[in-house]
Amino acid sequence: AQKVTQAQTEISVVEKEDVTLDCVYETRDTTYYLFWYKQPPSGELVFLIRRNSFDEQNEISGRYSWNFQKSTSSFNFTITASQVVDSAVYFCALSEGTTDSWGKFQFGAGTQVVVTP
Amino acid sequence: GAGVSQSPRYKVAKRGQDVALRCDPISGHVSLFWYQQALGQGPEFLTYFQNEAQLDKSGLPSDRFFAERPEGSVSTLKIQRTQQEDSAVYLCASSPGTGGWHQPQHFGDGTRLSIL
Repeated sequence: AQKVTQAQTEISVVEKEDVTLDCVYETRDTTYYLFWYKQPPSGELVFLIRRNSFDEQNEISGRYSWNFQKSTSSFNFTITASQVVDSAVYFCALSEGTTDSWGKFQFGAGTQVVVTP
Repeated sequence: GAGVSQSPRYKVAKRGQDVALRCDPISGHVSLFWYQQALGQGPEFLTYFQNEAQLDKSGLPSDRFFAERPEGSVSTLKIQRTQQEDSAVYLCASSPGTGGWHQPQHFGDGTRLSIL
């Protein structure tokens, strides 16, 4: 069963608009981490942010911010004032703390972000 | 280099051939992971090494897939008797410690495998 759902397949915006990417996850663990990665056309997955299950404080880092809500199992990610270089596929990933899940990141299907000038 | 290096970047093979994909992790990284990424999908876990020990191979699709990391650094993913459904991008990642579940994994550019 899919544990990470990214319902948005593609989002197209004009430069300087904000983009919010949705991520819903499923786990029975009380201890877990959530990640956002960016995959530009070159193919390399680039780590963006990480949040653990015990810290629901939402933060801002530069143009990136995230909204983590355990009550709804959501971990949404926002790019403020988008730029053309933000065009990429963005993946949400879940890492559970149980022994048999050790190191096994579970990724969503990704959301393609297209930023046009 | 400073990042995870994978080779070859592209590999084309005929159905039934054996292929070997190489991963050079970031120097000193203890943990190494292999993922398979089908077109338009997110990466799917294949296997995990801690140093030379293969701690989890639950994601390997069949016994045609074999991975090794004999000296705890470079890793090779081998696919025997390739089939068309093996066509995908194979991603390697590494992380510095043994706490793989909470540390960000650093990915290479991947090897795009096409089986004709």
